[in-house]
Amino acid sequence: ETGVTQTPRHLVMGMTNKKSLKCEQHLGHNAMYWYKQSAKKPLELMFVYNFKEQTENNSVPSRFSPECPNSSHLFLHLHTLQPEDSALYLCASSQEVVGAYEQYFGPGTRLTVT
Amino acid sequence: EDKVVQSPLSLVVHEGDTVTLNCSYEVTNFRSLLWYKQEKKAPTFLFMLTSSGIEKKSGRLSSILDKKELSSILNITATQTGDSAIYLCAVEATPYNNNDMRFGAGTRLTVKP
Repeated sequence: ETGVTQTPRHLVMGMTNKKSLKCEQHLGHNAMYWYKQSAKKPLELMFVYNFKEQTENNSVPSRFSPECPNSSHLFLHLHTLQPEDSALYLCASSQEVVGAYEQYFGPGTRLTVT
Repeated sequence: EDKVVQSPLSLVVHEGDTVTLNCSYEVTNFRSLLWYKQEKKAPTFLFMLTSSGIEKKSGRLSSILDKKELSSILNITATQTGDSAIYLCAVEATPYNNNDMRFGAGTRLTVKP
């Protein structure tokens, strides 16, 4: 059983809606990540947080806004999304950002933008 | 430009066959190479490779890294239908103090009964 949980598991939203994705890890890790998995595309890294501080933003549009209040929780706030933003959004955590630590993934949130 | 290339992109075999999946990379400040198995959910971690020439094994799966050739292979012996999935290769690099990962496009493996 994964130590990384994500809610909701499925989300359908209109382009004018505002919603948030939540990720929680129970592994005592210090680094957390958001990924986007689109159909027929490689997994894309979106954001990296290390000890609650954002260390990487992979040119993600501002309609995606991450928040990391503590090392165990990570949010992705969504507003005015586009249909092409429909994808599986995966959260992951690792012990540290620096160092050869494997990442543990959550089950993902399947987002559909209508 | 950093990149990770996997081959083949798709592969269809029959149960009992042995398959070899390839991953080659060009990244600066290489730290590790990871293999994931992705089915209809989040990718599950298979192996992390940091040292060249040391094979890692888990049941019917094994993997090895060749830093000289900038590549890695993932072997699956005696394949089963449950091995059908997308196998992702990711390379971790560490520019400065940040972590950066590059993923390949994946190899879609289909194992037929």
